[in-house]
Amino acid sequence: DAKTTQPTSMDCAEGRAANLPCNHSTISGNEYVYWYRQIHSQGPQYIIHGLKNNETNEMASLIITEDRKSSTLILPHATLRDTAVYYCIVRDNAGNMLTFGGGTRLMVKP
Amino acid sequence: AAGVIQSPRHLIKEKRETATLKCYPIPRHDTVYWYQQGPGQDPQFLISFYEKMQSDKGSIPDRFSAQQFSDYHSELNMSSLELGDSALYFCASSLGAGAKTQYFGPGTRLLVL
Repeated sequence: DAKTTQPTSMDCAEGRAANLPCNHSTISGNEYVYWYRQIHSQGPQYIIHGLKNNETNEMASLIITEDRKSSTLILPHATLRDTAVYYCIVRDNAGNMLTFGGGTRLMVKP
Repeated sequence: AAGVIQSPRHLIKEKRETATLKCYPIPRHDTVYWYQQGPGQDPQFLISFYEKMQSDKGSIPDRFSAQQFSDYHSELNMSSLELGDSALYFCASSLGAGAKTQYFGPGTRLLVL
């Protein structure tokens, strides 16, 4: 699986959009971008994933650049409950494991 | 919606003892994964099973073994426990193997004294 690079930490004001970047410059054509988050000591929670096109669900939007070398997870209206570590994970369509690395610690502040 | 169930949620053991962690996947999910998360660390993949067969293996110690049963639940057996085994153990499940979305359980917190 390709490696990813994320900021160590970010702050966001409650009610504002949180934009979490992820670089995956070595991603290959059959690899997906997955986002998970982990609220303190809870099980990682699936957020969204994509291959080439931008994706949106009830939790977030995923914007993938045309060259697929980076992506941004957008939480449109962050709440205090969105405070968590956000992991960007790249995996191919045969990979069973998720490789968690670093992640971004998002702090949503009142 | 039904989620992944793990039991027990908390477990305290002495060094050199054994422990068994159980995972009940989301109904109809046929694939289970085990992850270990040490204090201040990221989750690390241990092992996975698809249709009762081991499908992938990560950094699982030889002292650990796991299996998946006919009802798709899985058990992680840990022997000769060491202090360093103290961690959160997460189980995840998916429908199908490969790049399928994994849904995680709440975890089992193991403390080895």
